[in-house]
Amino acid sequence: KNEVEQSPQNLTAQEGEFITINCSYSVGISALHWLQQHPGGGIVSLFMLSSGKKKHGRLIATINIQEKHSSLHITASHPRDSAVYICAAARGGSNYKLTFGKGTLLTVNP
Amino acid sequence: DTAVSQTPKYLVTQMGNDKSIKCEQNLGHDTMYWYKQDSKKFLKIMFSYNNKELIINETVPNRFSPKSPDKAHLNLHINSLELGDSAVYFCASSRSGNPYEQYFGPGTRLTVT
Repeated sequence: KNEVEQSPQNLTAQEGEFITINCSYSVGISALHWLQQHPGGGIVSLFMLSSGKKKHGRLIATINIQEKHSSLHITASHPRDSAVYICAAARGGSNYKLTFGKGTLLTVNP
Repeated sequence: DTAVSQTPKYLVTQMGNDKSIKCEQNLGHDTMYWYKQDSKKFLKIMFSYNNKELIINETVPNRFSPKSPDKAHLNLHINSLELGDSAVYFCASSRSGNPYEQYFGPGTRLTVT
């Protein structure tokens, strides 16, 4: 079992829908990342959070440390949001490293 | 003025060859990483360097040898390439005081035939 599990694996939505992608982790973490990988392959860091909630435009990320769970929400989804969304658990200290989930492929249809 | 750049973007080579992938960052970061993304799109850390010193080496075959000539560069040299090495390799960088925020390069797609 992977230390970081994401669901769903694939998600298809209609433009305008509210999207939720979930991430559960089984290890102690310093922080949790949400990344976006575009169809062209480039990876962009969306959020890093260690508690509570963060918002950037139409994207919202939340984390519940006690439950070892994080969610990424997209409001008013748009076809340009189509991408793979990856969560990654960060373990800190001098040997800081990310352990990745397998990603969620989101397709938003017009 | 790309923040993290990698060369080449695509690399096709035959089994048994030796090849290198270069990574450079102009963000003033002191920590750099190599990640491998396999055919199932699963990302996994390979190496991490801080101030030119190796700090993470994740059970990667010793055919893979990272080299950091200075803080702005982390190159990946691969000896005796195998079919299973085919993947996309991403370089990333961060500041040691803020390791959580990592900036990724565009990736190098390596195909071994």
